[in-house]
Amino acid sequence: GDSVTQMEGPVTLSEEAFLTINCTYTATGYPSLFWYVQYPGEGLQLLLKATKADDKGSNKGFEATYRKETTSFHLEKGSVQVSDSAVYFCALSVVSSASKIIFGSGTRLSIRP
Amino acid sequence: GAVVSQHPSWVICKSGTSVKIECRSLDFQATTMFWYRQFPKQSLMLMATSNEGSKATYEQGVEKDKFLINHASLTLSTLTVTSAHPEDSSFYICSARGQGANNEQFFGPGTRLTVL
Repeated sequence: GDSVTQMEGPVTLSEEAFLTINCTYTATGYPSLFWYVQYPGEGLQLLLKATKADDKGSNKGFEATYRKETTSFHLEKGSVQVSDSAVYFCALSVVSSASKIIFGSGTRLSIRP
Repeated sequence: GAVVSQHPSWVICKSGTSVKIECRSLDFQATTMFWYRQFPKQSLMLMATSNEGSKATYEQGVEKDKFLINHASLTLSTLTVTSAHPEDSSFYICSARGQGANNEQFFGPGTRLTVL
């Protein structure tokens, strides 16, 4: 079935470091891909998305490119800030599955000042 | 973005009692609402999908008689955990989506349920 595998955390970085959180997926159809972020005490928020191969989603300095050939959607940011500390979830949605969202296990990111 | 609220944010109950969790879309009409369960340090697992005015569709392995879902209006869905047991302790999250299958899902902040 459809699934998402993402890098296990926790990940701890210093401020201004480069961030990569790996995500790969398995899907029978043509999924849309998402990154969600969950800040402490808050609900999940959509960070960025891409709906077809080679699309690049971007928001708040974060980027991820939909790579069909490697079935990946890695999250990157060039210079992280303390305020980026949160849990990040990679996810997919397939229209044939009633647009249900399937989540990865989440990666906790902590940024040191 | 749109706002989805959940109430209560946390609840502690005795084993054998029932607990109701509310999910409200505050500034849009939610034709579809989703209920998820999240175990510590694990991902969100979809429990059920509910469309306003119709019966919920449960995922495989989710007991529909234990987790009662009602979506009586376009702004409110409820999840009732019946005869709760300690293994039902978890973080329950709802999300809501407006009309159109491609509309974004907006997530509530979650409800922490602890069953003693």
